[in-house]
Amino acid sequence: EMQLVEFGGGLVQPGGSLRLSCAASGFSFSSYWMSWVRQAPGKGLEWVANIKQDGSEKNYVDSVKGRFTISRDNAKNSLYLEMNSLRAEDAAVYYCAREPNDFWTGTRFDYWGQGTLTAVSS
Amino acid sequence: DIQMTQSPSSLSASVGDRVTITCRASHNIINYLNWYQQKPGKAPILLIYAASTLQGGVPSRFSGIGSGTEFTLTISSLQPEDFATYYCQQSYSSPRTFGQGTKLEMK
Repeated sequence: EMQLVEFGGGLVQPGGSLRLSCAASGFSFSSYWMSWVRQAPGKGLEWVANIKQDGSEKNYVDSVKGRFTISRDNAKNSLYLEMNSLRAEDAAVYYCAREPNDFWTGTRFDYWGQGTLTAVSS
Repeated sequence: DIQMTQSPSSLSASVGDRVTITCRASHNIINYLNWYQQKPGKAPILLIYAASTLQGGVPSRFSGIGSGTEFTLTISSLQPEDFATYYCQQSYSSPRTFGQGTKLEMK
């Protein structure tokens, strides 16, 4: 059974750091792009970052560039999001999602984890 | 960045109704458009990708159509489990962007 499980969220002060992890199982993790998508309380979905199968390409939404770093360890079937200089507006549920990529059909987020909540407050 | 705009933002309907949600892109995204359903406290579920391809396991009452800048999601006959929030998302370019969501409520 395909599964994505996020962990590492919690309460952090503004300016602080947090590292999110996502453990993948039930599929060939190294064969897929992976993404982080977040959702602030009561708000819509916002894509945060993605990473290519071998980690050679990474993309970020402008609001997190220079503060967040996405990475992966294919040997451990794990995806990470290092978050630094956290702001109040970064508070959200963070989901990891599998992102199959096909020229004809584009990409989509076909499997999601249950999410991990990050709160930013003093 | 490509902006995605959904309409309506909220919608009241009854079981058995036919419901249509529209998503407009600020640029031509060809057919690189996906639809998701999200229920409170749960992760989103992919319904449709590439504008009209039904994701495996999704009931056939869900359908999508469109190309370029205008897309629609239709639920042919609403079931009780369909009351949720629906999002469109473009995959034409980075950053991936979502519509603001359409909340489908029971009338």
